[in-house]
Amino acid sequence: QVQLQESGPGLVKPSQTLSLTCTVSGGSISSGDYYWSWIRQPPGKGLEWIGYIYYSGSTYYNPSLKSRVTISVDTSKNQFSLKLSSVTAADTAVYYCASMVTEAPFDYWGQGTLVTVSS
Amino acid sequence: EIVLTQSPGTLSLSPGERATLSCRASQSVSSSYLAWYQQKPGQAPRLLIYGASSRATGIPDRFSGSGSGTDFTLTISRLEPEDFAVYYCQQYGSSFTFGGGTKVEIK
Repeated sequence: QVQLQESGPGLVKPSQTLSLTCTVSGGSISSGDYYWSWIRQPPGKGLEWIGYIYYSGSTYYNPSLKSRVTISVDTSKNQFSLKLSSVTAADTAVYYCASMVTEAPFDYWGQGTLVTVSS
Repeated sequence: EIVLTQSPGTLSLSPGERATLSCRASQSVSSSYLAWYQQKPGQAPRLLIYGASSRATGIPDRFSGSGSGTDFTLTISRLEPEDFAVYYCQQYGSSFTFGGGTKVEIK
């Protein structure tokens, strides 16, 4: 069974870049079985999909965030990463990494990590 | 973008009662690519239903999904204490969007 674990700074200053990594265990990113996503949830609010990456490096982003988002993959470490630039307080959220197969919902999720944007 | 509207916002029920949650899409969800998740405080969402009506692995049969096009329903036939949580619908037919959630609370 696939397991995912987010890691990264819990506090980011406004205008800086948020960087998170998701480490995958129980399966290989290189297998090509899954697409690897980032999803976020502001405190007390709903869920927002950020984007996904395939092991080949192909990506697909939420149009509302596309200008600020970069998702990358490191198959040698079985990790994928999120960078969100020019952050504001509105980017404060729990960030989840998750997996999905083609034409399917998100089946495996990390536990989530809270990132607060504050000076 | 397909907007999903969930209703009601909060459902107050007692254990043993039936819960009916609604999810309406702003346009037709292709191939019934509609999922339901359960989220408890401090936890990640858990997939319950995919393809509008198929239960995910390990999900009890008191959870059922139905609907097509723009109108979908999640039904919990008899609420157990562990079912009190927030439920989200999500479409994955055209990019990915989530509904705003329905909180099922103990009456």
